[in-house]
Amino acid sequence: DIQMTQSPSSLSASVGDRVTITCRAGQSISKYLNWYQQKPGEAPKLLIYAASSLQSGVPSRFSGSGSGTEFTLTIGSLQPEDFAAYYCQQSYTTPYTFGQGTKLEIK
Amino acid sequence: EVQLVESGGGLVQPGGSLRLSCAVSGLSVRDNYMSWVRQAPGKGLVWVSVIYSGGSTYYADSVKGRFTISRDNSKNTLYLQMSSLRAEDTAVYYCARVDYSRLHTFDYWGQGTLVTVSS
Repeated sequence: DIQMTQSPSSLSASVGDRVTITCRAGQSISKYLNWYQQKPGEAPKLLIYAASSLQSGVPSRFSGSGSGTEFTLTIGSLQPEDFAAYYCQQSYTTPYTFGQGTKLEIK
Repeated sequence: EVQLVESGGGLVQPGGSLRLSCAVSGLSVRDNYMSWVRQAPGKGLVWVSVIYSGGSTYYADSVKGRFTISRDNSKNTLYLQMSSLRAEDTAVYYCARVDYSRLHTFDYWGQGTLVTVSS
């Protein structure tokens, strides 16, 4: 199985801050990397697919980069609605493993 | 508009069985890859199973031999038959569409159904 390791596991930031979350894959997954946002009591929402492609309807302050084993999700200027949990996921091969998540909290 | 609506969750005793359903509208389950993902209370997302358009199925090791994914093309519904349930299977179960044209992205999700395994 391909292990996905996210860091940090939690993060405190303020509105307007720029934040970066990192995801490392246990082996090369090319660009088969997705990012999801999840708010309490809600289903996950796709933000970024194929490592760097922005899902339709997602604000442009969200961006993704990377390939192979190292990936990042960047939020350019935090808005109040961005405080949530974020997960990376590899879709290169089954099992389609997720990272453990990053909880983004208001400072 | 694409909609996925799960149902069938509830309280079940250890060792029991349950079948989850995911009614889909706006896309065809027959022509798509469809998956189940679960989330234990307060924990992260865990992939459970996938069924490809050709019918191939794959499972997480933790559920292999106990869970079965299937679909009914006439009802446009995805299923997850769960048996020999354990306390650690307690979770919200989500169904999702896997877009094979975009590197297997999970782009549409249902709202989830809660399964509680307890005596």
